[in-house]
Amino acid sequence: AQKVTQAQTEISVVEKEDVTLDCVYETRDTTYYLFWYKQPPSGELVFLIRRNSFDEQNEISGRYSWNFQKSTSSFNFTITASQVVDSAVYFCALSEAMNRDDKIIFGKGTRLHILP
Amino acid sequence: EPEVTQTPSHQVTQMGQEVILRCVPISNHLYFYWYRQILGQKVEFLVSFYNNEISEKSEIFDDQFSVERPDGSNFTLKIRSTKLEDSAMYFCASSELGSYSNQPQHFGDGTRLSIL
Repeated sequence: AQKVTQAQTEISVVEKEDVTLDCVYETRDTTYYLFWYKQPPSGELVFLIRRNSFDEQNEISGRYSWNFQKSTSSFNFTITASQVVDSAVYFCALSEAMNRDDKIIFGKGTRLHILP
Repeated sequence: EPEVTQTPSHQVTQMGQEVILRCVPISNHLYFYWYRQILGQKVEFLVSFYNNEISEKSEIFDDQFSVERPDGSNFTLKIRSTKLEDSAMYFCASSELGSYSNQPQHFGDGTRLSIL
């Protein structure tokens, strides 16, 4: 069965600090996709990244970086030099390629507070 | 950039009434989805739709729910007789080619459904 665990329910850091959001996943499929979404207080889901299971290279996009480690089934997300606008709920998610329809299974989310 | 649009942004309905949530997916997309997010909880898959039929549905998607693509552009979610526990944010999503696409699912901004 597919499952995504985000053990950190809520994190608070002071602006300019770095913060890492943890994500651990379970899947029986060898081909799968991992995602991170941001949900600001306005409620919409903002797509941040999609990574397929064959690409273990870490990715950096501005202040955001992602560390994908298949050996530990983890796909962690780091925000460097955090800003107040980064305050949001962040969801890690998984989609198995065996599912023809590509449904996405979300973790419970981590609520991130960036304090000024 | 093309977007998935959902209407209305907020729907208030009396318990027991029928409600229809509307979505206009991106025009060349072939897969369509509904997800639900109860306040403060994770985003949950409800149903996927491809080639004018349901591809997969979760256990949440019981006989009270139905989906339709009535005119080739809209994609609707109907709840026949709403219950208090149907209060949630409902997200529509669409994707181009399912698992084989390099593009992720595109989410709409959601419809907040409040059942009184």
